[in-house]
Amino acid sequence: AQTVTQSQPEMSVQEAETVTLSCTYDTSENNYYLFWYKQPPSRQMILVIRQEAYKQQNATENRFSVNFQKAAKSFSLKISDSQLGDTAMYFCAFMISSNTGKLIFGQGTTLQVKP
Amino acid sequence: EAGVTQFPSHSVIEKGQTVTLRCDPISGHDNLYWYRRVMGKEIKFLLHFVKESKQDESGMPNNRFLAERTGGTYSTLKVQPAELEDSGVYFCASSQPGTAYTEAFFGQGTRLTVV
Repeated sequence: AQTVTQSQPEMSVQEAETVTLSCTYDTSENNYYLFWYKQPPSRQMILVIRQEAYKQQNATENRFSVNFQKAAKSFSLKISDSQLGDTAMYFCAFMISSNTGKLIFGQGTTLQVKP
Repeated sequence: EAGVTQFPSHSVIEKGQTVTLRCDPISGHDNLYWYRRVMGKEIKFLLHFVKESKQDESGMPNNRFLAERTGGTYSTLKVQPAELEDSGVYFCASSQPGTAYTEAFFGQGTRLTVV
């Protein structure tokens, strides 16, 4: 069975600084996707970034980038130049490539960006 | 284009009562998923519809939960009778059909409190 673990329930960062959220996962599959989702307060969850396991290059989306370490089964999210709008709950998630879109989530990390 | 919408946004019911949650997916999205997050824990998969058919209902907790998607459009999730442990946030997500990965879009969730 696949599991996803986020060991940081809460984090905070000063505006304009950089923060890294941790995520580890466990699977025996070789082909899969990893995701970071963001849920701002009282709003819907949106996809921040996606990584295909077969790609060695780390995914980046503007100020968001990941550090994907396949052997270590680690998938951290780095947010550069943090903005107040980045305040949200962040969920790490996993999906088997051959699956039908079923996501397995971690427990979430609440990130507070302070002015 | 409207996103995934869920009704109601909040519901407070007494133990033993019945509650029905509704999800309207994005038009044209054959895939519809239900997830649940119990306070402080990970978001867990409940079930997956492809059009009106249940593709995977392995995450449904017990037979007090009934999900339907008549006509392959909106879906309902009924809890009858509700128990205290059913409290949590229920998320719905939808995605386009396809054999390859297609992004899942989430609704805002329904916060269910059973007292």
